[in-house]
Amino acid sequence: DAGVIQSPRHEVTEMGQEVTLRCKPISGHDYLFWYRQTMMRGLELLIYFNNNVPIDDSGMPEDRFSAKMPNASFSTLKIQPSEPRDSAVYFCASSFTSSYNEQFFGPGTRLTVL
Amino acid sequence: SQQGEEDPQALSIQEGENATMNCSYKTSINNLQWYRQNSGRGLVHLILIRSNEREKHSGRLRVTLDTSKKSSSLLITASRAADTASYFCATGDQTGANNLFFGTGTRLTVIP
Repeated sequence: DAGVIQSPRHEVTEMGQEVTLRCKPISGHDYLFWYRQTMMRGLELLIYFNNNVPIDDSGMPEDRFSAKMPNASFSTLKIQPSEPRDSAVYFCASSFTSSYNEQFFGPGTRLTVL
Repeated sequence: SQQGEEDPQALSIQEGENATMNCSYKTSINNLQWYRQNSGRGLVHLILIRSNEREKHSGRLRVTLDTSKKSSSLLITASRAADTASYFCATGDQTGANNLFFGTGTRLTVIP
């Protein structure tokens, strides 16, 4: 069974450009999480969804960031306009509702904003 | 912040030695999990310990949990070069929400 799929794996863009990261969670999982990882701040939770509904977006750094989950098998994280400080690895993870919430991570998208 | 903290931040050992990493957290938890991250990869779940458990084993991994001290430890026995990675603890709180709070990680290097 396929794990969490993220695309693209690498993205290099120029400051001011729009960036869209994509995620396909594991089939049957009803939670989806977006994280950002940098050396300085470690792993930060940006937003998470339950049954396609955003539950907590308090980690989204600015209005330039937005996330959507139009259906159970697809989510996007958009940055518009992008800035060099957005350079990081962005991870998507999914999990299934249970009392013990193991998360399954995708391989990540390494974003570089020049 | 509910984020946990791992200690030490970095650890370097010889192959065959045991590696111990510690995690401290701040709030009451439902469970505590350990994840491994190889360089350039996503995190991979290793082991979960529930709040009413004190010790758990999985292969060469041993996890302990002391809820009175709000701390956990991960022991990797007979380490191998392939164990070189970053290790994170993550806590699930008691609200029923499915999100986890990740620690800052321990970077383990196992020297062949």
